[in-house]
Amino acid sequence: GNSVTQMEGPVTLSEEAFLTINCTYTATGYPSLFWYVQYPGEGLQLLLKATKADDKGSNKGFEATYRKETTSFHLEKGSVQVSDSAVYFCALGGSNYKLTFGKGTLLTVNP
Amino acid sequence: SQTIHQWPATLVQPVGSPLSLECTVEGTSNPNLYWYRQAAGRGLQLLFYSVGIGQISSEVPQNLSASRPQDRQFILSSKKLLLSDSGFYLCAWSVRQYGYTFGSGTRLTVV
Repeated sequence: GNSVTQMEGPVTLSEEAFLTINCTYTATGYPSLFWYVQYPGEGLQLLLKATKADDKGSNKGFEATYRKETTSFHLEKGSVQVSDSAVYFCALGGSNYKLTFGKGTLLTVNP
Repeated sequence: SQTIHQWPATLVQPVGSPLSLECTVEGTSNPNLYWYRQAAGRGLQLLFYSVGIGQISSEVPQNLSASRPQDRQFILSSKKLLLSDSGFYLCAWSVRQYGYTFGSGTRLTVV
């Protein structure tokens, strides 16, 4: 079946540091890939997505590239801000439009 | 535009009491609807999904049930709550395999 593995963290960075959160997946066919963000006490918000190999999703300074050869979709940001502190989820879109989520990575950015 | 409403935002219920959480979607028709639970470890577990009125698929055996009495209404229920039912419950919808839109969640504490 489908599965998503992401680094669990927690990740603690200083403001303006470079961020990478690793995500790898196992799936049949050509799934869509997503990153969701959850701010404290809130639901999940779609951060970015990629629907086919070599696509790059980007939003709010975050980027992730769909790498079919390495089955990866790592999240990156060149300079994080305190307001980026949240839990980040990597997800894979499978059959019946069901999403399979990773376990989430808690990011804390200190001023 | 499409919106999703989920209520209540927080709920404290005694063990053995019934539960009813409601989710409604506006601005779309025939959406796929989902209930997820997020336990203290932050991971997201798919509980139920529905591709149409009266069609419910259960992902894990548990103390909960779901119903979809109308196209854009999805209800999560329990006859008798257990302590282990505590968690953050998220409703979501999708129309195509390009990501979900999540509600703001219900934090349930069973005491």
